Order: sequence, then structure tokens, then C-alpha cells
Amino acid sequence: GQQLNQSPQSMFIQEGEDVSMNCTSSSIFNTWLWYKQDPGEGPVLLIALYKAGELTSNGRLTAQFGITRKDSFLNISASIPSDVGIYFCAVFWDTGNQFYFGTGTSLTVIP
Amino acid sequence: KAGVTQTPRYLIKTRGQQVTLSCSPISGHRSVSWYQQTPGQGLQFLFEYFSETQRNKGNFPGRFSGRQFSNSRSEMNVSTLELGDSALYLCASSQYRGREAFFGQGTRLTVV
Repeated sequence: GQQLNQSPQSMFIQEGEDVSMNCTSSSIFNTWLWYKQDPGEGPVLLIALYKAGELTSNGRLTAQFGITRKDSFLNISASIPSDVGIYFCAVFWDTGNQFYFGTGTSLTVIP
Repeated sequence: KAGVTQTPRYLIKTRGQQVTLSCSPISGHRSVSWYQQTPGQGLQFLFEYFSETQRNKGNFPGRFSGRQFSNSRSEMNVSTLELGDSALYLCASSQYRGREAFFGQGTRLTVV
């Protein structure tokens, strides 16, 4: 299967700080998605990226699709307590017609 | 527009039993995928259906099966349950291949 390396594995930050996480792969993908998951709930789509180099924002969140199509990053500005959760990157594997998910970044925001 | 609906939210079953989980996709979405999520393995792909046809299947034993109906609703079945089948089962729907996938809240299955 495809491997997605997501880092960091966990983050502990103060409220108001900015956050950055990334996701890398050894293969090229044409679709990169970022999700947030709260405990016991399904992942919620945050941002979808379909074009290399694309930079997309959703409120305080900004994500970029790497120019090599092998990586993506997600930034969260001015973090707030409700940003707590696990963030996943995902890619669509055309050949296998399925999404692959990273291992997740657990974010804790300290008030 | 209603989101992806999964039922039931929680299930407790005994080893050896079978279980059926249901997923209603977003209206207009014809692709439905199923995933198993466990702390140790993360999100693992089970299978994907489009217009009642299974287009792809993940690396799971034959005890895991699914189907999709003409209204795009999907069910997955797990027979002869094992303790290791305890997990959060997630369903996702997409309108177009390779585009945004939207998840339901999941079904938490506990096998005792």
C-alpha cells in the first residue's frame, strides 16, 4: 500500500500560537485532503487540494499542495481550544481507486 | 443538504456473531467507501462501491463484505466476528472519483 508520513505525531501548544504540520509521500498524488477528527466522531473535511502549488485557505486554516505533488502542509493560525483533535492528511490513489490516510497529528491547545 | 448517515452509532456483539452496518450517502453521491479505524492501524480501506458495483477492495478477509443499493445506500457485513474486529467503522461518500470524500459519524463496534 501507499505510505504517507505525517509529522509531527503530536503537538502541545499555547492558545493563540500558530501551528504547522505536514505530510509527505514517496509517490506522486493528484489529490490531497486534510481532515480533522474529534474523539468518537468521523473525520471532517477541512481543505481539498487538486493542483500542484495550490494554496487554499479555510478561515484560520491554510493548506498547500507541494509543487512535486509528493507533499502538503497545513497551517492553523491563532489556535483556539476547539482546534483540539487529530488532523489527518489523505491522498487519492488513482490506480487503486481509494484514499490513503496519514497516521495523524494530535493537537492539544493549552488555554 | 443532509450529510452521510451511519446507523447504528454503537454496537456490542459477541464473538462468532455477524453484524450489518448501514450508510446513507449525501444525496447525489454515487460512490461509497468503507474504512476501519483502530488505534494501532489507523484508517484502513475496506471497499468502495459505485453504482452498485464494488470497484475496489482492501486487504481484509472474506468475512468482510458489502453491497450498494440502487439508491446508493450501502451496507457492510462482518460475519463470524472476532475480538480484533472491534473498531470504528466509517463510511464516506463522494460525488466524483478522486474528489472530496465526506465521512459519516461512524459506527463503534465492540466485540466481546
